[in-house]
Amino acid sequence: SAVISQKPSRDICQRGTSLTIQCQVDSQVTMMFWYRQQPGQSLTLIATANQGSEATYESGFVIDKFPISRPNLTFSTLTVSNMSPEDSSIYLCSVPFYHDTGYTFGSGTRLTVV
Amino acid sequence: GQQVMQIPQYQHVQEGEDFTTYCNSSTTLSNIQWYKQRPGGHPVFLIQLVKSGEVKKQKRLTFQFGEAKKNSSLHITATQTTDVGTYFCAGPGSGGSNYKLTFGKGTLLTVNP
Repeated sequence: SAVISQKPSRDICQRGTSLTIQCQVDSQVTMMFWYRQQPGQSLTLIATANQGSEATYESGFVIDKFPISRPNLTFSTLTVSNMSPEDSSIYLCSVPFYHDTGYTFGSGTRLTVV
Repeated sequence: GQQVMQIPQYQHVQEGEDFTTYCNSSTTLSNIQWYKQRPGGHPVFLIQLVKSGEVKKQKRLTFQFGEAKKNSSLHITATQTTDVGTYFCAGPGSGGSNYKLTFGKGTLLTVNP
């Protein structure tokens, strides 16, 4: 399975600012996914990051709030824009295994907005 | 969109006791996956089930996929403190996509040594 390096691991940010989270994969992957996990909750898919095209967002998530870049097949960023305390969550990137039999997750970014 | 319901939400056991978590879907699933998330960690893939009635074992863990492919279970025999964590099931996402996952709410397992 792929190995993902996700940065930063945690951050405390002021409301109204933005934070960019990076995920670097050790192999080329077609699809990368970004999830949000609120404290004690399940994982919710934010968007699919597609190389060479715009990200595909799930219902309730918009590009202005969560812009995503995917410049190549090994790297993606998620920006949380104009943050409010409600954005305090863990953000995780994920890529499928070879033959799509499961998914590897990054170690997560624990974001606190104050 | 498609939902995967998971119960119980919490389970506390004494070390050595068994543990089971259940997932149910209102629609037929092409596959179901199970993940474990340790406290403070990230989800780690455990297994994927694809076939109707499939049963797979990993040491003390037994995974089942229902005959109708609408439900699944994870059973842990003789729990150990290393089993502590949240266990999630996940099915294919909405719109029939097999690439996006819809996660159950998870079952948090705590084990009293």
